[in-house]
Amino acid sequence: DQQVKQNSPSLSVQEGRISILNCDYTNSMFDYFLWYKKYPAEGPTFLISISSIKDKNEDGRFTVFLNKSAKHLSLHIVPSQPGDSAVYFCAASAPNSGYALNFGKGTSLLVTP
Amino acid sequence: DTAVSQTPKYLVTQMGNDKSIKCEQNLGHDTMYWYKQDSKKFLKIMFSYNNKELIINETVPNRFSPKSPDKAHLNLHINSLELGDSAVYFCASSLTGTGINTGELFFGEGSRLTVL
Repeated sequence: DQQVKQNSPSLSVQEGRISILNCDYTNSMFDYFLWYKKYPAEGPTFLISISSIKDKNEDGRFTVFLNKSAKHLSLHIVPSQPGDSAVYFCAASAPNSGYALNFGKGTSLLVTP
Repeated sequence: DTAVSQTPKYLVTQMGNDKSIKCEQNLGHDTMYWYKQDSKKFLKIMFSYNNKELIINETVPNRFSPKSPDKAHLNLHINSLELGDSAVYFCASSLTGTGINTGELFFGEGSRLTVL
């Protein structure tokens, strides 16, 4: 049973434009959300996170928005750069979950020059 | 220095064999994990150890046995390998001893297991 869903397997964006990656979740107990970035043949690396008490967190070109009522979060990258081309995983954790993360299937982002 | 290192990176073996994947972290973290990424690219938690104690054991066949000799190591041993075990296995670690769950995991590069 997949509790974190990324319904777009891929996204293509031109360099300099905004990339918006979406994520939905079903478990209302999730209280912490993260985005990971993964290049081929490498492990995922942490990008940005947000606690459920916030609705926005910004770090440079990356902003994560959380809409708890809709159980939806999104990652905005602006401006997008070719080096941003990677697979982006959305993840979530719940209290008392043993610190485990539930991951979505990932969205492959391609930023074209 | 690699923060979370796994060996081997690639492993090709026959059905029925027993194999191990080793993981070591030099970050001083107290919690380590094994995740499996299957052919559908879905990353799923298998095990989690906190200070050498098992805290998560998802519905994984008994053929999979994690072993944590110390906080810095979490090895995965798989008995009687099956075709469906083919996947990329990721080790990860995090610091949770402060009681603050930042949720940030540091992953190894993955070990691609192919069972023929």
